[in-house]
Amino acid sequence: EADIYQTPRYLVIGTGKKITLECSQTMGHDKMYWYQQDPGMELHLIHYSYGVNSTEKGDLSSESTVSRIRTEHFPLTLESARPSHTSQYLCASSDPSTGRNTEAFFGQGTRLTVV
Amino acid sequence: DQQVKQNSPSLSVQEGRISILNCDYTNSMFDYFLWYKKYPAEGPTFLISISSIKDKNEDGRFTVFLNKSAKHLSLHIVPSQPGDSAVYFCAASDRGGGYQKVTFGTGTKLQVIP
Repeated sequence: EADIYQTPRYLVIGTGKKITLECSQTMGHDKMYWYQQDPGMELHLIHYSYGVNSTEKGDLSSESTVSRIRTEHFPLTLESARPSHTSQYLCASSDPSTGRNTEAFFGQGTRLTVV
Repeated sequence: DQQVKQNSPSLSVQEGRISILNCDYTNSMFDYFLWYKKYPAEGPTFLISISSIKDKNEDGRFTVFLNKSAKHLSLHIVPSQPGDSAVYFCAASDRGGGYQKVTFGTGTKLQVIP
């Protein structure tokens, strides 16, 4: 069982609000990721991190920002939510030291609805 | 430009029969392939993987076949069970670069009918 947690699971919020989606893992993984997925679509990488103080943008342009101050914590922030941000956000982590660094552990996801 | 394609959005199979889920890719640099399984309201979980140096990998009821010349892989589930009903994502990676990035397909929803 993966030890990676996302909160909240569901969030409905008004346009213009600032939100932070939390992601924590207890596995000590250096690599962490944020994916965005719309129904029936593929997972798109929006942010990733190699470790503490490392953050990079993924393939899909996103207005969100991330931070990595601690190994176990990788929060995602939207400064001003818009209806176009409505989606499911999935956090994941992986452990390169196993040699199988593309097998990721996913959290349960946050389903965000901006009204 | 979708580099990993799962052309069947859904599949229904009777319990006990074989489920075959297909995946095609276009990027010849991909050398590692994975299947993830996703239940509703949960995150994907890793199921099985295969390196490009192999053409088959088996784990219990799950077998993944890779045809590099056709840029095609398939996941076989035998026998299928109702608990296998989920969305299955095919994913591919190029491990040669400094940053390992996984490209996902759109998923196939499998329904196993009791």
